Amino acid sequence: AQSVTQLDSQVPVFEEAPVELRCNYSSSVSVYLFWYVQYPNQGLQLLLKYLSGSTLVKGINGFEAEFNKSQTSFHLRKPSVHISDTAEYFCAVSDPGGYQKVTFGIGTKLQVIP
Amino acid sequence: EAEVAQSPRYKITEKSQAVAFWCDPISGHATLYWYRQILGQGPELLVQFQDESVVDDSQLPKDRFSAERLKGVDSTLKIQPAELGDSAMYLCASSEGNSFYEQYFGPGTRLTVT
Repeated sequence: AQSVTQLDSQVPVFEEAPVELRCNYSSSVSVYLFWYVQYPNQGLQLLLKYLSGSTLVKGINGFEAEFNKSQTSFHLRKPSVHISDTAEYFCAVSDPGGYQKVTFGIGTKLQVIP
Repeated sequence: EAEVAQSPRYKITEKSQAVAFWCDPISGHATLYWYRQILGQGPELLVQFQDESVVDDSQLPKDRFSAERLKGVDSTLKIQPAELGDSAMYLCASSEGNSFYEQYFGPGTRLTVT
């Protein structure tokens, strides 16, 4: 069975500083990996996804993530955060086979401090 | 821009009452998902439809929860009777196909059971 571990429940960071949100996954097969963002009282929005190919994936709002198969990680990074990036971020994994059920992590709350 | 619609946005109900949620996916999206998101956790898949057929309901508490998508378009999720532990955000998402394609989320229904 696949699973996702988000190592930090909350990450405070000052505005314009860089940030890394950590994600490790467990799966016995090849995987698809995703990062979603959720703003208060809203649904989730896809930031970026890794399906195959280049291990460095660029997404919306200046975010990027790197797939590291040997370390089973998919950490999310942004070189300079804005106040508007304050939200909850979810890492997710999907098995490419079958109906590709998506399993989400518990989320990391990013708080950008002015 | 097309969006996934959900109603109601908020619902307060008493324990043992029946409650229903409605979701209208993006036009043309064959796959529809219902997730439950308990406060402080990531979304958990309850049921996945491919057109009008259920393809995964392994995590749906079938003694009290039911879901239908009769014409393969909009969908209803019902809980009867509601229990205190059902208090959560219920998210609907849709995609063109399986999870290879981006899932688009609705704003969710916040359920409080008293």
